[in-house]
This record gives sequence, C-alpha cells and structure tokens, in this order.
Amino acid sequence: NAGVTQTPKFRILKIGQSMTLQCTQDMNHNYMYWYRQDPGMGLKLIYYSVGAGITDKGEVPNGYNVSRSTTEDFPLRLELAAPSQTSVYFCASSYSTGGTEQYFGPGTRLTVT
Amino acid sequence: KNEVEQSPQNLTAQEGEFITINCSYSVGISALHWLQQHPGGGIVSLFMLSSGKKKHGRLIATINIQEKHSSLHITASHPRDSAVYICAVMNRDDKIIFGKGTRLHILP
Repeated sequence: NAGVTQTPKFRILKIGQSMTLQCTQDMNHNYMYWYRQDPGMGLKLIYYSVGAGITDKGEVPNGYNVSRSTTEDFPLRLELAAPSQTSVYFCASSYSTGGTEQYFGPGTRLTVT
Repeated sequence: KNEVEQSPQNLTAQEGEFITINCSYSVGISALHWLQQHPGGGIVSLFMLSSGKKKHGRLIATINIQEKHSSLHITASHPRDSAVYICAVMNRDDKIIFGKGTRLHILP
C-alpha cells in the first residue's frame, strides 16, 4: 500500500492564482483531513470528510474548498491565493474518528508571493 | 491559553539520556495522540491513548485523565530520535486539537 500520497511536493504561486492540492489514500479509509502547518504553530484543520460526498469545515476553512467524489481522493482547492496561505499542507486519513490512528501524507510546501 | 500545551518547546540532550516530553490539555477528551514529525517533514503516529500507559520499543506514553496530562518518554535516546514530537487530543465533539510540538535534538 502506498498509504496517503500528496502532489505536488512543492509549489510557488503568485497572488491571485488558483491551484488544487491532490490527496489520495489506498487504505479504504472513510475519514480524510486537510491540515495546514505554519512555522511555530500547531497543525490546524482546514476541512475534513467522513465519507464520499460528505465534507465539513474545520478550524480555518476560509480561502479553501474541497470535494470528495470518491473514497480515495480528497483534493483541496485554493482560489485566489494570498500570502497568508503560505504554509505546509498535510492530508491525512483514518478508518474512523476519535480513537483511531491518523495516517499522514508527506506534505505540500506552498509559497504564495 | 492554548487548549493543548506542550513542554518543553525545545530540548537538547546527549545520546543515552532519558527524555520526557509533557502535554497538558484543558478540554474533555476521548483520546490523545502522540505524533513524530521527522526533520524532512513527514508525520507518523506513535501512540493513541485513552487511559493508562503504552510502550513501543524505547518509547513509553502515559496519560492521567484526572490531571489532564500525558507524557512521552524515550529511554536510551539516540540521534535518530531527533524530531518534533506533537501531542494532539480529540475532544468530545470529535475535533482534533494539536499542540505546537516539542523540538528534540539528541547529540551524539
């Protein structure tokens, strides 16, 4: 199993550009998550999904959109990129919530200039 | 005040030392996770606890629900243990809250 894969690994965007961060998991997990990690700060939840067709906002959803058309894929869309979105983005998945282990992707380092 | 506080923020120790990283939280939880973030950025789950103590190799995690406190111990520390260790709690609404992490550097 590849686990959780993310693409791209690195990206530089100009202010106002849009992009999609891809996330795929092959563990048949129902739950998927997008986090951002800013320097010196804890991970913050952007959006999460409890299954195909179901998504919900996390702590910091503004400026992002997600979709979950399949169990495997959970892309994160950035519209009108802003410097405040410069961060490292992690996708994760888990079989269930609460007391189950989350599996993390390798991360995408995004710079908006 | 953050809902999840870790201490210390940074820790440098000599190889072989016994390491303790602390995590205190202020909310009711259903589970607590310890994660390890490697220097290259990847994050792996070390432990998930809801009570008591767990051990995996040289790593031991404990939790005291009454005191809202957890510790991660590393015995016989090694330079390859150098990483950021992150405490995260799952609150009663199934929302996960992360600490800011403890940066550990083990000197050979």
